Amino acid sequence: ILNVEQSPQSLHVQEGDSTNFTCSFPSSNFYALHWYRWETAKSPEALFVMTLNGDEKKKGRISATLNTKEGYSYLYIKGSQPEDSATYLCAFWDTDKLIFGTGTRLQVFP
Amino acid sequence: NAGVMQNPRHLVRRRGQEARLRCSPMKGHSHVYWYRQLPEEGLKFMVYLQKENIIDESGMPKERFSAEFPKEGPSILRIQQVVRGDSAAYFCASSPTGQPQETQYFGPGTRLLVL
Repeated sequence: ILNVEQSPQSLHVQEGDSTNFTCSFPSSNFYALHWYRWETAKSPEALFVMTLNGDEKKKGRISATLNTKEGYSYLYIKGSQPEDSATYLCAFWDTDKLIFGTGTRLQVFP
Repeated sequence: NAGVMQNPRHLVRRRGQEARLRCSPMKGHSHVYWYRQLPEEGLKFMVYLQKENIIDESGMPKERFSAEFPKEGPSILRIQQVVRGDSAAYFCASSPTGQPQETQYFGPGTRLLVL
């Protein structure tokens, strides 16, 4: 059974703190890794699609890196804001579908 | 360009009834994926469909669940004889051509409650 692991499970930070979380996935048969942001009562919103080893992507204060050889990706948020509070999901492409991790739930306190 | 649409947003069924969940993909997208989120769990893949074809149903329970994506109209996830354990949020997502590097766009979900 293919495993996509995310850590930590949850994270509480103060406004202005920078934070990062990890997604671990199989290092063989890599095609793509997706990151999503999921706010309560909404639908998952795509952040990044990463395909190449060493990829770095950035969107505003959020960035992500990818290491396909060792099977991990980091998501960084610089200067967290309360509106960043959400669950961050990574998903590994397996054959013809996405396998999601269980997510990191981030709460940013003002 | 309308996003992925799902209806109904909320559905209440009694045990033994049928539930039909509909998903209209984004315009121009011919690949649809259904996911389920059970309480306190993450998103689990159920089934992947192209127009008129089921490509991968490895995540579908073997009994009572079926899915279709006809030539015309929305994709439908059908649950027959629902049980309490079917209570969950069901999300569909769509992409243009089903490639690994394509973003999958999610609908708002249908929250099914079985009494």
